[in-house]
Amino acid sequence: DQQVKQNSPSLSVQEGRISILNCDYTNSMFDYFLWYKKYPAEGPTFLISISSIKDKNEDGRFTVFLNKSAKHLSLHIVPSQPGDSAVYFCAALPDMRFGAGTRLTVKP
Amino acid sequence: NAGVTQTPKFQVLKTGQSMTLQCAQDMNHEYMSWYRQDPGMGLRLIHYSVGAGITDQGEVPNGYNVSRSTTEDFPLRLLSAAPSQTSVYFCASSPGTGESETQYFGPGTRLLVL
Repeated sequence: DQQVKQNSPSLSVQEGRISILNCDYTNSMFDYFLWYKKYPAEGPTFLISISSIKDKNEDGRFTVFLNKSAKHLSLHIVPSQPGDSAVYFCAALPDMRFGAGTRLTVKP
Repeated sequence: NAGVTQTPKFQVLKTGQSMTLQCAQDMNHEYMSWYRQDPGMGLRLIHYSVGAGITDQGEVPNGYNVSRSTTEDFPLRLLSAAPSQTSVYFCASSPGTGESETQYFGPGTRLLVL
């Protein structure tokens, strides 16, 4: 029973364009959400988070949007850079449930 | 600071063998946890600890034991390995358990059980 779902296993975008990664959840008790970035042969690293009392959080090129009524969050990366190519996981608290990840490829 | 370190990086076991995956952090973090990552499944929490002497089960604890005798170390034990435990294992730590506490992950241990 996957309570956090990332339905797109992969995404490819051109350098300089926007990358939008999506995440859906089913448990209405989740109240804090995080995005992690993972390069091959490394552990995940924290990217950005959002509390359920907000609908947007921004940090440089990264913005996370939360739509509580739709149980949906998205990560926007603008502009995308080749170094952003990685697997992105969304996660939800309090149970720390992760989605399956989306592999982002940014082409030069 | 070395951050979170994990050993070994890669291990092959035969079914029924036992082994311990080591995890250490030098950031004086209270909270430590173990995850496994399987294709199409994301990371799943195995066990966690909120401080020395305190451990608890996560989402998929069966087949694994943990202990936390010191703040720095949080080993994960497989008493009798099974092919279903073939996975990549990540250890993580954070200063506390609050929502804003960022978790720091180790580089992972890739385990193959034959």
